[in-house]
Order: sequence, then C-alpha cells, then structure tokens
Amino acid sequence: QQPVQSPQAVILREGEDAVINCSSSKALYSVHWYRQKHGEAPVFLMILLKGGEQKGHEKISASFNEKKQQSSLYLTASQLSYSGTYFCGTVTGGYQKVTFGTGTKLQVIP
Amino acid sequence: DSGVTQTPKHLITATGQRVTLRCSPRSGDLSVYWYQQSLDQGLQFLIQYYNGEERAKGNILERFSAQQFPDLHSELNLSSLELGDSALYFCASSSGDRSAEQYFGPGTRLTVT
Repeated sequence: QQPVQSPQAVILREGEDAVINCSSSKALYSVHWYRQKHGEAPVFLMILLKGGEQKGHEKISASFNEKKQQSSLYLTASQLSYSGTYFCGTVTGGYQKVTFGTGTKLQVIP
Repeated sequence: DSGVTQTPKHLITATGQRVTLRCSPRSGDLSVYWYQQSLDQGLQFLIQYYNGEERAKGNILERFSAQQFPDLHSELNLSSLELGDSALYFCASSSGDRSAEQYFGPGTRLTVT
C-alpha cells in the first residue's frame, strides 16, 4: 500500500525551513527519501531503519517513528537547489521492495 | 552520476510494437529494480531481481517481462504497446540488502504513438 505524503506541495523562500511527512498503514522496516528534479533520476537522500540506524547525506535530517509508522524529512535553511519533488519510499516486507509515495513538490524561490 | 546505465535514452515507437530497455547496475550491486513513472506521477514499482532471480513483483502488466542475466545487467521487455505505456522507465540498483539504498539510472523515455 502506497505511503501518504504531506504536504503535496510547498513554496519556500531561500533560508526558510520545511518539513515533509510520510505515513504508512503498515509496519515498516525502513523508510527511504529521494529527491527528483524535473526530467532527472531520483537521487538518494537518506534511509532510516527500524532500530534507529540512519544513512544519508550529512546536510539532511529525518526522523522515523516506528510505532506510528511515520517519517519526517527536515529541510533547514533551504537553498534554491533544494527545489524538486521529494519522495518517501517504504519497505515493509522481507525483501527490499520499496513502495513510493506520491511525492511532495518543493519550490524554493529567491 | 549514479553508476547505473540505461539504454536507450529515448525511444519512440508505434502502438502494438515491442521494445527492450536495458540496464547495467553499479559495479558490485546484485539487485536491479524497474520503475515506471508516467507524466508528473509517482514511481510505480514494476519488478526486482537479485543475482539473476526474480525477488519481488509489483504492478507489472502481463505484456511486460524482465530478466537479469549472469553478468547482472537487466532487460525490461514491453510488448503490444499501448499509448498509456508512454512513460519514463527507471532502473535502480542496490546491494540487495534490506538496509541498502537504491541508485537510479538516468531513465529511458518511451513514447508510444
């Protein structure tokens, strides 16, 4: 089942902060976050694992609430380069099948 | 550059035809994933292979099939193409471990006319 992301879209001015949420109806093994710019491939940002381990870019922070089956991506002091669509992906099963959410469109303006 | 390669970059073909999309994973990665992304839509998981064997299947149509070869490259075959099959098709690779991130190739843009 597809995770639900919120908000669907957000516009920020440079330097502002944003939070993108991802919620699943199933128990999660891990949550993945990716950013995709228009016409390009998704780029890995972060993975959060059950038990607390995280892997990802230093400038990105995220949280994973296993009990609530939710994750949040925190974008601070936004830059123009942060613009794009952010996808969360969830892994629930024994293998690494990632089910992606519908995405959050983020636009950072000067 | 993710290290994942996909060919061709663009493909234009007519309805009813068959095409093959090719993907080479990053060096050392054993797992390959195929995704379909229609215009301004999310990423729809199609299928996953691990070291030559099918590991997970998503919403893949019966007209679509895939395989992973001994050298670990993968091919996605799309047949009896319909207008609605027009989309970006991404391949991603990972080590296959449940805690591993996926790296996406640049995609193949398929246009069915």
